[in-house]
Amino acid sequence: DTGVSQDPRHKITKRGQNVTFRCDPISEHNRLYWYRQTLGQGPEFLTYFQNEAQLEKSRLLSDRFSAERPKGSFSTLEIQRTEQGDSAMYLCASSSGWTGEEETQYFGPGTRLLVL
Amino acid sequence: RKEVEQDPGPFNVPEGATVAFNCTYSNSASQSFFWYRQDCRKEPKLLMSVYSSGNEDGRFTAQLNRASQYISLLIRDSKLSDSATYLCVVNAANSGYALNFGKGTSLLVTP
Repeated sequence: DTGVSQDPRHKITKRGQNVTFRCDPISEHNRLYWYRQTLGQGPEFLTYFQNEAQLEKSRLLSDRFSAERPKGSFSTLEIQRTEQGDSAMYLCASSSGWTGEEETQYFGPGTRLLVL
Repeated sequence: RKEVEQDPGPFNVPEGATVAFNCTYSNSASQSFFWYRQDCRKEPKLLMSVYSSGNEDGRFTAQLNRASQYISLLIRDSKLSDSATYLCVVNAANSGYALNFGKGTSLLVTP
């Protein structure tokens, strides 16, 4: 399977714990995005990377959230001191980032987080 | 006001019906427009891009009216497998490549 993959698919944690999610984009895709989706809502943009550079962060990304893409391939999203309001589906997407290519974003299956 | 607004739904239609979804967006500087489909508890998947001249893909037709900041999706001859949530998506004009999603409209096609 050469699509976007995410790990874990599900995570249950207690309030106050730290969690980390991983995303592996489609091979050779330069751009990688993180979104969050809560029940009954569309996905909301969190941040994106061009190769290893984090170029944009949404105001939704509080200082408890940090994302990295150290080698320009996979990315991690860490949430520190989780709160019940962090419960959501965390979606990763990637796009080619090549000049002239339509910027279609391909989504991974998501990590569903439940904070108790 | 959200940047992308959609019909609230849900839409319940019989097989074979034609159904139309509407969407409005608030930022006139937006340049890219899409419809994504999302099945229950799955990730969104691109259904089609939307171009100014309108475009068709089989039973699906998308239209864009930049003057009214309005996007539509028409599904003809609905199939049971069309049951899903349809997300109207617009690029965030004040952002590099972020996408703004509507809440989605739920479609249920019944036998």
